[in-house]
Amino acid sequence: RKEVEQDPGPFNVPEGATVAFNCTYSNSASQSFFWYRQDCRKEPKLLMSVYSSGNEDGRFTAQLNRASQYISLLIRDSKLSDSATYLCVVNNFNKFYFGSGTKLNVKP
Amino acid sequence: DAGITQSPRYKITETGRQVTLMCHQTWSHSYMFWYRQDLGHGLRLIYYSAAADITDKGEVPDGYVVSRSKTENFPLTLESATRSQTSVYFCASTETSPHEQYFGPGTRLTVT
Repeated sequence: RKEVEQDPGPFNVPEGATVAFNCTYSNSASQSFFWYRQDCRKEPKLLMSVYSSGNEDGRFTAQLNRASQYISLLIRDSKLSDSATYLCVVNNFNKFYFGSGTKLNVKP
Repeated sequence: DAGITQSPRYKITETGRQVTLMCHQTWSHSYMFWYRQDLGHGLRLIYYSAAADITDKGEVPDGYVVSRSKTENFPLTLESATRSQTSVYFCASTETSPHEQYFGPGTRLTVT
């Protein structure tokens, strides 16, 4: 079983739409959680950390549900520039595990 | 602010050759990591290092060797390259493990 699983998509949405991604992880002892963004196989860049209380950064909201072992990312008012692959990342005792990514295409 | 750099950015080598990928960071981060990214697999951890002279295996260490004699450098060596090691390799660093990582630009390696 993979440590981190994501729906690969693609999610094709119009500009202005709200889109949500989920990610599940297998190790209940996981310590920290992140969403990264990756464009065209360039280096991943941190989008946001994910906290148990939930956190928001502009149009982006992340949630963590430890009981069900899933992480979510909500993007409101999608922009063309949001088109990318979103990677869910989980940290277990010095090791980071990546989901295979969810591809988002925002259409005009 | 150079951050984290990788060299070479592109490399073509032949099966059986030894090749070393370099990673250098200017932040004095304690932790450094090597990943490979293949289509359909996401990023997979090859090796990581918690400090100079401390290294440990990740998910896919076979066929790779690392060393870390200085905090800022973390080279990855393919001792005898195979076609299955054709991939994009990313180096990353972080000050403390639970915190976010910062990635280098990647090295695209092709083994013919």
